[in-house]
Amino acid sequence: AQSVTQPDIHITVSEGASLELRCNYSYGATPYLFWYVQSPGQGLQLLLKYFSGDTLVQGIKGFEAEFKRSQSSFNLRKPSVHWSDAAEYFCAVGAQGNAGGTSYGKLTFGQGTILTVHP
Amino acid sequence: DTGVSQNPRHKITKRGQNVTFRCDPISEHNRLYWYRQTLGQGPEFLTYFQNEAQLEKSRLLSDRFSAERPKGSFSTLEIQRTEQGDSAMYLCASSLRVGASEQFFGPGTRLTVL
Repeated sequence: AQSVTQPDIHITVSEGASLELRCNYSYGATPYLFWYVQSPGQGLQLLLKYFSGDTLVQGIKGFEAEFKRSQSSFNLRKPSVHWSDAAEYFCAVGAQGNAGGTSYGKLTFGQGTILTVHP
Repeated sequence: DTGVSQNPRHKITKRGQNVTFRCDPISEHNRLYWYRQTLGQGPEFLTYFQNEAQLEKSRLLSDRFSAERPKGSFSTLEIQRTEQGDSAMYLCASSLRVGASEQFFGPGTRLTVL
């Protein structure tokens, strides 16, 4: 079964500082990987995705993430955080097929990391 | 607006009542998913449809829950005899491509069971 671990429940950074949110996944084959952001009371917005190819992927709002197969990680980074980035961030893994008994297309999410930005 | 829409946005009900939520996916998306999100947790998969066929249901989906997508367009999620533990945000998502699982989420329906 696929799983996702986000080790940091809450992270606080100062505006303008760099950011890295950690994500580790467990999956039996090459996964699809995603980062979503959720503002209070809102649905999930896709920041970026990894399907294959270049392991460094660029997303919206200046975010990027790097897929490291050897570490089973897909950490999210941003060089300079803005106050509007304060939100909850979710890493998710999706099955590329019906491998290992997992559902084709189903996403498994981590617990989320709440980002607070200090002025 | 061509995004995923969900109605109602909020629902307050008394324990034991039945509730129904609706999801309208992005036009022409053939896959539709339901997730449940409780406070402090990430979304958890409930079920998904490819066109009108319900292809999988999570063990989270007890027999009090039923989902339909009768014409392969909008979907409904019904909870019968609601319990306080059903209080959560119910999220709907849709995707277009069969191979890739990039999903677009709606704003969710927040259910409160008193």
